[in-house]
Amino acid sequence: DADVTQTPRNRITKTGKRIMLECSQTKGHDRMYWYRQDPGLGLRLIYYSFDVKDINKGEISDGYSVSRQAQAKFSLSLESAIPNQTALYFCATSLGIGYEQYFGPGTRLTVT
Amino acid sequence: QKEVEQNSGPLSVPEGAIASLNCTYSDRGSQSFFWYRQYSGKSPELIMSIYSNGDKEDGRFTAQLNKASQYVSLLIRDSQPSDSATYLCASSGGYQKVTFGTGTKLQVIP
Repeated sequence: DADVTQTPRNRITKTGKRIMLECSQTKGHDRMYWYRQDPGLGLRLIYYSFDVKDINKGEISDGYSVSRQAQAKFSLSLESAIPNQTALYFCATSLGIGYEQYFGPGTRLTVT
Repeated sequence: QKEVEQNSGPLSVPEGAIASLNCTYSDRGSQSFFWYRQYSGKSPELIMSIYSNGDKEDGRFTAQLNKASQYVSLLIRDSQPSDSATYLCASSGGYQKVTFGTGTKLQVIP
């Protein structure tokens, strides 16, 4: 069984629609992250969370919001999707500062 | 200025050869370093972690760290076509900051 799961795996949506990407983990890690990946730009951090009461913006948080519903669940929302949010989105978890991150399988999002 | 730099490649090596992937970082406070492998359209998969100067070996993979030169490398011995992927270097320094390079594409030619 996968330790970090993401739903949906693929999504096509229209400009202006609200969409939620969900991430669940069974690794027992407190720290969770959302990244987007675009060709040539690498992984860029959107939001991260140390625990259910702690949410922090990453380098590209504009247009996104998150919710940490439980230690194991971290959701990313696009309130009003726009075409330049078309990307591959990854959720990741880690045990703590300086520890490696483990990634979910990703969600391929297309905004038309 | 990018904090973790990698040559984008592609780096082409024949099957059975040693592939050498390099990475430099700018944050002298970085303490932890990671190598990930990413197949096209898939998620990054952790290969190696290294925390202290020197070499760390795991199977066909060897990670090398030189903090004085701010340099990290990954050697893949006996390269196989299945090793063809993009390899991401990452560093972790200050408070919760993990920085990823943009990756080096490796092609292993049969």
